Amino acid sequence: DAGVIQSPRHEVTEMGQEVTLRCKPISGHDYLFWYRQTMMRGLELLIYFNNNVPIDDSGMPEDRFSAKMPNASFSTLKIQPSEPRDSAVYFCASRVAQGTQYFGPGTRLLVL
Amino acid sequence: DAKTTQPPSMDCAEGRAANLPCNHSTISGNEYVYWYRQIHSQGPQYIIHGLKNNETNEMASLIITEDRKSSTLILPHATLRDTAVYYCIVRENNNDMRFGAGTRLTVKP
Repeated sequence: DAGVIQSPRHEVTEMGQEVTLRCKPISGHDYLFWYRQTMMRGLELLIYFNNNVPIDDSGMPEDRFSAKMPNASFSTLKIQPSEPRDSAVYFCASRVAQGTQYFGPGTRLLVL
Repeated sequence: DAKTTQPPSMDCAEGRAANLPCNHSTISGNEYVYWYRQIHSQGPQYIIHGLKNNETNEMASLIITEDRKSSTLILPHATLRDTAVYYCIVRENNNDMRFGAGTRLTVKP
């Protein structure tokens, strides 16, 4: 298996633009997680899904952030409008129930 | 709310064993101890996990105290490539995984 796949790997955008980050979990995994990592706040859990249903979105910073999982093999994290303070590395992870969690390589986002 | 406490940094000589401690005094009976590491902003990498018994795999050993309030990750022969941030996390199996600040391990030649 290719592991968790994220795209793009790097994104540079201007303040106010919409940003969409994408994640393909490992096939067969029914849990999917979105994390954000910054120097100041470390690795934060934003939201996670089970069987495509959002379970806990309490980590989503504000209404500008939204996440969807339209099917078992694809999820998006959208920021609209983006702000410079959203600059971070965003990681996606997946696992099966009671299984080990595997992380993708991350998307490095820079908002100018 | 960090459920674990780890030293912020440690050094280890190349070729020697690296012993990374973790305190989890409020761990509940259903919670596992997981260890991950992150090398220079790559995605966190799974190392090992355990519930009560000590565990060993090709990467490391995990020693959990009998009262389960603390554990130690052992890298038996540290190399320069083991320089990373090591995270200790406690988690019930169907719950989410939340990371603390971890321990920055520097392996020195």
